[in-house]
Amino acid sequence: NAGVTQTPKFQVLKTGQSMTLQCAQDMNHNSMYWYRQDPGMGLRLIYYSASEGTTDKGEVPNGYNVSRLNKREFSLRLESAAPSQTSVYFCASRNRAEAFFGQGTRLTVV
Amino acid sequence: DAKTTQPPSMDCAEGRAANLPCNHSTISGNEYVYWYRQIHSQGPQYIIHGLKNNETNEMASLIITEDRKSSTLILPHATLRDTAVYYCIVKIYNQGGKLIFGQGTELSVKP
Repeated sequence: NAGVTQTPKFQVLKTGQSMTLQCAQDMNHNSMYWYRQDPGMGLRLIYYSASEGTTDKGEVPNGYNVSRLNKREFSLRLESAAPSQTSVYFCASRNRAEAFFGQGTRLTVV
Repeated sequence: DAKTTQPPSMDCAEGRAANLPCNHSTISGNEYVYWYRQIHSQGPQYIIHGLKNNETNEMASLIITEDRKSSTLILPHATLRDTAVYYCIVKIYNQGGKLIFGQGTELSVKP
């Protein structure tokens, strides 16, 4: 049982480049989430999806887009990366009570 | 979802009980209290949740006051591996929508 899988684990981008962070869960959960965590800070919600076909903004959505491709997959896209988006990105999925997190993607924008 | 307040940091001696408080004075009747922890650089990990009765599992105990305005997570015999940031979240059970983490409490377990 893989749980929540994020790819890639590490990425370095140049300012202005675009990329998509991938997230997949194999637990048949309806809700999925994307967070960012800056050094020494707590998790901040970027976007979430309560069910397949729906997405909503979280606390810090600017500069990001998401796609809930199907029930398993929830991707996060940076269209034009900025140094301020250097962070660790976590994906999560949630059943009725418990949220399960991936191991994170460390993104550096130079 | 109701707002929660936690102390920013706490220390605990190894082998002693760690008692982490959380205030949630605006909690509504159908909101549960959830606890997660994040060990350095890893994704957060679920610990326990409860509505109004005290709960215990293999990781911790959760004590919720009778008026439900505050709760305490208890790690009965803290080890160095329990050093982490602990997050208290209030949310309606089985409801989608936002899952917001506050700043949490940074627990340092010392030898």
